[in-house]
Amino acid sequence: AQSVTQLGSHVSVSEGALVLLRCNYSSSVPPYLFWYVQYPNQGLQLLLKYTSAATLVKGINGFEAEFKKSETSFHLTKPSAHMSDAAEYFCAVSGGSSASKIIFGSGTRLSIRP
Amino acid sequence: KAGVTQTPRYLIKTRGQQVTLSCSPISGHRSVSWYQQTPGQGLQFLFEYFSETQRNKGNFPGRFSGRQFSNSRSEMNVSTLELGDSALYLCASSWDSSAEETQYFGPGTRLLVL
Repeated sequence: AQSVTQLGSHVSVSEGALVLLRCNYSSSVPPYLFWYVQYPNQGLQLLLKYTSAATLVKGINGFEAEFKKSETSFHLTKPSAHMSDAAEYFCAVSGGSSASKIIFGSGTRLSIRP
Repeated sequence: KAGVTQTPRYLIKTRGQQVTLSCSPISGHRSVSWYQQTPGQGLQFLFEYFSETQRNKGNFPGRFSGRQFSNSRSEMNVSTLELGDSALYLCASSWDSSAEETQYFGPGTRLLVL
């Protein structure tokens, strides 16, 4: 079965600081991994996805994530936080035999301090 | 291209009633998935439709049902509403049903059951 664990339900960083949101996955098959962002009262928007082409994946808005099979991790980073990055971030995994099309983590709320 | 649209955006119902939510996918997308988002349970997969056929179903009671029309538009129905059905219901569309396909989410329908 597949699962996703996001460490830290809330992360707070200063504007201009490094953003690091942690995601660990469990999958019995090579996974497809996604990061989505959700702004208040909106749906989810794809930031980036890993489909085995390259371990370092670059996404929109300056975000990137590195797939580390040995650590079963897919952490999301951004070198310099901006106030507009404040949102909820979800890591997700798909590709296994689970009946669920995609399994989401519990989410991490990112706050940016001025 | 227009994004995924969901109607209505907000809905208030009472226990025991039924409700139908509508989702129009991005033009050309043939797969539509539905998710329930609540503060306690997070994002949970309800079901997926592809070419008018249900492909996958999450772990929800039979009160939750859906269908897809020949133009790929989808509806989701919840019968005999319970207080716990209060949630944000998200619809997502993708080109096909493969696990690596990006899902594009609508803004959601917020359902409140009184």
